[in-house]
Amino acid sequence: KAGVTQTPRYLIKTRGQQVTLSCSPISGHRSVSWYQQTPGQGLQFLFEYFSETQRNKGNFPGRFSGRQFSNSRSEMNVSTLELGDSALYLCASSLGAGTYGYTFGSGTRLTVV
Amino acid sequence: DQQVKQNSPSLSVQEGRISILNCDYTNSMFDYFLWYKKYPAEGPTFLISISSIKDKNEDGRFTVFLNKSAKHLSLHIVPSQPGDSAVYFCAASLLSGNTPLVFGKGTRLSVIA
Repeated sequence: KAGVTQTPRYLIKTRGQQVTLSCSPISGHRSVSWYQQTPGQGLQFLFEYFSETQRNKGNFPGRFSGRQFSNSRSEMNVSTLELGDSALYLCASSLGAGTYGYTFGSGTRLTVV
Repeated sequence: DQQVKQNSPSLSVQEGRISILNCDYTNSMFDYFLWYKKYPAEGPTFLISISSIKDKNEDGRFTVFLNKSAKHLSLHIVPSQPGDSAVYFCAASLLSGNTPLVFGKGTRLSVIA
């Protein structure tokens, strides 16, 4: 079965712009979580959506937002991009809420110049 | 304050020998622990997990040990193979996986042939 699909794989944006990243979960999975990975920082939790509702939110500024659609696909948006937003953004899906059976996508590499 | 710590950024091991990756945590409420492996340009892949009611879990060449009193877990890979070369992340969760994962910064394992 198809895995978690993240698009685009790579993005270059200019400081001050906004960006939207997309995540299609494994078929049947209803939970989507987003993580940011920066060099030397591990993975930091952004938010989790389950059945179109935000279930958990990490410690990121309000410039970071997300949503989930009725087909479980999710998008995250970052407005007013800063250089420090350059990172690998990873999406993970699971059947139910929480982390059991988490499967990660390959990520979107965002570079802010 | 980092709740999950992997104090060794890198580790080199000879092929066939044992690899031991360590992880410490500060939050005694964590009750579910996981290890992920990550290759470049790919998302993390689940390796093995352990619940706090156990002190050992084994899956083939991979064994995770949990020492709750020391708030320490370790991943043993025996025997190590060149294909094991990757970054390994330790992660922890509360409520048996019902809260977002908290990741360490990762340890880069190099298995030398």
